[in-house]
Amino acid sequence: EAGVVQSPRYKIIEKKQPVAFWCNPISGHNTLYWYLQNLGQGPELLIRYENEEAVDDSQLPKDRFSAERLKGVDSTLKIQPAELGDSAVYLCASSLDPPPNIQYFGAGTRLSVL
Amino acid sequence: AQSVTQLDSQVPVFEEAPVELRCNYSSSVSVYLFWYVQYPNQGLQLLLKYLSGSTLVKGINGFEAEFNKSQTSFHLRKPSVHISDTAEYFCAVSEGSNYKLTFGKGTLLTVNP
Repeated sequence: EAGVVQSPRYKIIEKKQPVAFWCNPISGHNTLYWYLQNLGQGPELLIRYENEEAVDDSQLPKDRFSAERLKGVDSTLKIQPAELGDSAVYLCASSLDPPPNIQYFGAGTRLSVL
Repeated sequence: AQSVTQLDSQVPVFEEAPVELRCNYSSSVSVYLFWYVQYPNQGLQLLLKYLSGSTLVKGINGFEAEFNKSQTSFHLRKPSVHISDTAEYFCAVSEGSNYKLTFGKGTLLTVNP
């Protein structure tokens, strides 16, 4: 069974440019998560989807970040415009309902903003 | 609110030595507990989990952890480490029906020859 797939693995952009990350969850997993992992820190939740619905986006900086999960499968996370402080690893995870909803992670996208 | 404290940011050990990585959590309700491992430039891989039942749980790669409710701890152990165990280890907790997974800051395990 394929795991969570993310692309690209690495992205280097200049500040003020837009950037997008893509995630394909494990087949059949209805819940999808985007996490931000800063250097030397644990992941922090940005947004959680149940099927197509964003049910927890309280930690998503909505002035520059947006996300979508069309058809309840793949998801895209976008930053526009990117700032120097956005340099981090962006992780996608997926899980099955109901709890304990064990989360399985992708390899992540490492973003460097210059 | 749930929280996780990993007491050691770095743990250096020699190959074939035993190791313990410490994790304490704070929660007012029943919890699920997890350990994840992150190798360099990789995502997080589930090492083991405590959901219910036996307080001693076994995971992949010879790791095990013990849930201690009275001390609110979930320490990770391995009796004999290998060079390949060098990685960052994260403890995480979720409460009951709450989907939110809260991570500790991680412990960097470095196994030296």
